[in-house]
Amino acid sequence: NAGVTQTPKFQVLKTGQSMTLQCAQDMNHNSMYWYRQDPGMGLRLIYYSASEGTTDKGEVPNGYNVSRLNKREFSLRLESAAPSQTSVYFCASSGEQYFGPGTRLTVT
Amino acid sequence: LAKTTQPISMDSYEGQEVNITCSHNNIATNDYITWYQQFPSQGPRFIIQGYKTKVTNEVASLFIPADRKSSTLSLPRVSLSDTAVYYCLVGDMWNKLVFGAGTILRVKS
Repeated sequence: NAGVTQTPKFQVLKTGQSMTLQCAQDMNHNSMYWYRQDPGMGLRLIYYSASEGTTDKGEVPNGYNVSRLNKREFSLRLESAAPSQTSVYFCASSGEQYFGPGTRLTVT
Repeated sequence: LAKTTQPISMDSYEGQEVNITCSHNNIATNDYITWYQQFPSQGPRFIIQGYKTKVTNEVASLFIPADRKSSTLSLPRVSLSDTAVYYCLVGDMWNKLVFGAGTILRVKS
């Protein structure tokens, strides 16, 4: 089992560009989550999906959209990137929350 | 969502037992208490989860008093590799969990 995988690992965007962060899990979990972590801070929940076909806002959803494509995949989209979205993004799955390795995003 | 309060940092020496206490005064009836460990440049790793009394696994113990307004993570005989940030979370295990700032544990030789 690969667990939770995320792509890409690193990304640099210019202000206003868009991109989609991909997340997939092979553990047959119902719940999936997207967090962001700024330097020296704890993780903040952006969006979560309790099951396939459902999504809900977390603590900091503004500027992001999500898609729960199927049970395995949960993507996070930045429509118009801003420097304030420079962060490390983590995807997680299940109630105990197994985390992926993270995507380090820089917006210039 | 219940808010948690943890010490910002703790220092210990190899071989000692480390206890990290977390306060969660407004914990709800359905909430579980979960602890995670995070190393630099990695995602958090699940350590232990409990609802009440005591839970033990191969790496840690979790002590929860009867009123559930606090919890203590106990790490027996820490080593240098246990240096990390430790997060206490409180929430419904099937929905969203909110991370606080965490406790930086430094283990010295």
